[in-house]
Amino acid sequence: NAGVTQTPKFRVLKTGQSMTLLCAQDMNHEYMYWYRQDPGMGLRLIHYSVGEGTTAKGEVPDGYNVSRLKKQNFLLGLESAAPSQTSVYFCASSPRTRLYEQYFGPGTRLTVT
Amino acid sequence: KQEVTQIPAALSVPEGENLVLNCSFTDSAIYNLQWFRQDPGKGLTSLLLIQSSQREQTSGRLNASLDKSSGRSTLYIAASQPGDSATYLCAVLPVSSGSARQLTFGSGTQLTVLP
Repeated sequence: NAGVTQTPKFRVLKTGQSMTLLCAQDMNHEYMYWYRQDPGMGLRLIHYSVGEGTTAKGEVPDGYNVSRLKKQNFLLGLESAAPSQTSVYFCASSPRTRLYEQYFGPGTRLTVT
Repeated sequence: KQEVTQIPAALSVPEGENLVLNCSFTDSAIYNLQWFRQDPGKGLTSLLLIQSSQREQTSGRLNASLDKSSGRSTLYIAASQPGDSATYLCAVLPVSSGSARQLTFGSGTQLTVLP
């Protein structure tokens, strides 16, 4: 039981490049979340999903897109990376019956130059 | 809008000392409050969860209290050890979070316990 995994762990992009971050969970959780964490700030929600095929915007969605084609995977895309998107990205998942239990992945450190 | 504040941002203590981390939140309409631990390069691990109807929770050397009416929580760590060195994050689940059940996080307290 791997829990929540994230790929890749580190990435450096140039401004304007695109990439996709992959989150996978093997706990059969319905809810999945993407957060970003910046120095001196708490985690902020980018997008979330309440089930396969559904996504919704969080607090800071601009510049990102997401997809949840399979229940166990939640993808975060950056179409045209900007330096302001330099951050650590965390994925989390929750079971629908216990939404206060959020299980976090190890994070992806992204640098945009 | 719910805001969560943690003071101090960083704390350094000698091993064996008892310490208190503080968390305050602006809107008392919450379902629960959690304390997380974050180690460098790793994800968050939930330490304690206090439901809105509860006053405190204990786990080993950790004790978390909640005063919802004043918008405050404390995390008490007894007999601190170097292994307790980490960033501690406080997060609330606001009633206003709707279907997202979005946690609102503080910016954390970076704790260093010196041997």
